[in-house]
Amino acid sequence: GIQVEQSPPDLILQEGANSTLRCNFSDSVNNLQWFHQNPWGQLINLFYIPSGTKQNGRLSATTVATERYSLLYISSSQTTDSGVYFCAVMNRDDKIIFGKGTRLHILP
Amino acid sequence: NAGVTQTPKFQVLKTGQSMTLQCAQDMNHEYMSWYRQDPGMGLRLIHYSVGAGITDQGEVPNGYNVSRSTTEDFPLRLLSAAPSQTSVYFCASSSSFEGTEAFFGQGTRLTVV
Repeated sequence: GIQVEQSPPDLILQEGANSTLRCNFSDSVNNLQWFHQNPWGQLINLFYIPSGTKQNGRLSATTVATERYSLLYISSSQTTDSGVYFCAVMNRDDKIIFGKGTRLHILP
Repeated sequence: NAGVTQTPKFQVLKTGQSMTLQCAQDMNHEYMSWYRQDPGMGLRLIHYSVGAGITDQGEVPNGYNVSRSTTEDFPLRLLSAAPSQTSVYFCASSSSFEGTEAFFGQGTRLTVV
C-alpha cells in the first residue's frame, strides 16, 4: 500500500522561528491534507492541497504531486503552534492514510 | 452544524466486554472512516465506508465490526474488548470518496482493563 513519511519526527524551536515540515508519499494520490493535533487531542484541518500552493496567515503549504511530496511552512512560530502535524493522503483505493506526524514544540 | 459527533468521549471496559462507539455526521458526506491513534503510530485506518450499505477494511480491522445503514451514522463495534484495543479512536467524514476535505470528530479515549 501507499507509504506516507513525514520529517522531521520531532522539532523544537524558539518562538518567532520559521519551520518547514515535509511529507513524502510513495504513489499517486487523489488528495492530501495537513492537520494540526493540538495538546488536547483535537484534529484541526489546516489545508486541503492535492497540488499547488495555499496560504492561510502564517501557514502555507505546497504540494508537488508529480514529485510526490508536500511541504508545510510555519512562519514566526508561536507557542500555540505546538502539537503534532499530520499529513494524510487518499489513494486510488479510497483509503485515507496518515503519516506518523511531526511533533513541534515551540519554546517561549 | 454539528459536523462529526462521536460518543462517548471516554470509556473504560473490562476485557471481554462489548461496546459500540457512535459516529454521526450532518453534512451528508458519503465517505466515513474510523481510525485508532496509538503513541508513536500516527492514525491507522480501521474500517471505512464510501456510502450507505458499503464498508471495507483498513489497515487494522481485526477485532472491530462496522455497518453503514444510513448516510449519517457509522458505528464501530468491539465484540470482545482486549487490552490491545486501548487507544484513542477518531471518526472522519468527507463529501466524496474521490477526495475532498475530511473532517474529524473529537475522539473517544478507550481503556480496556
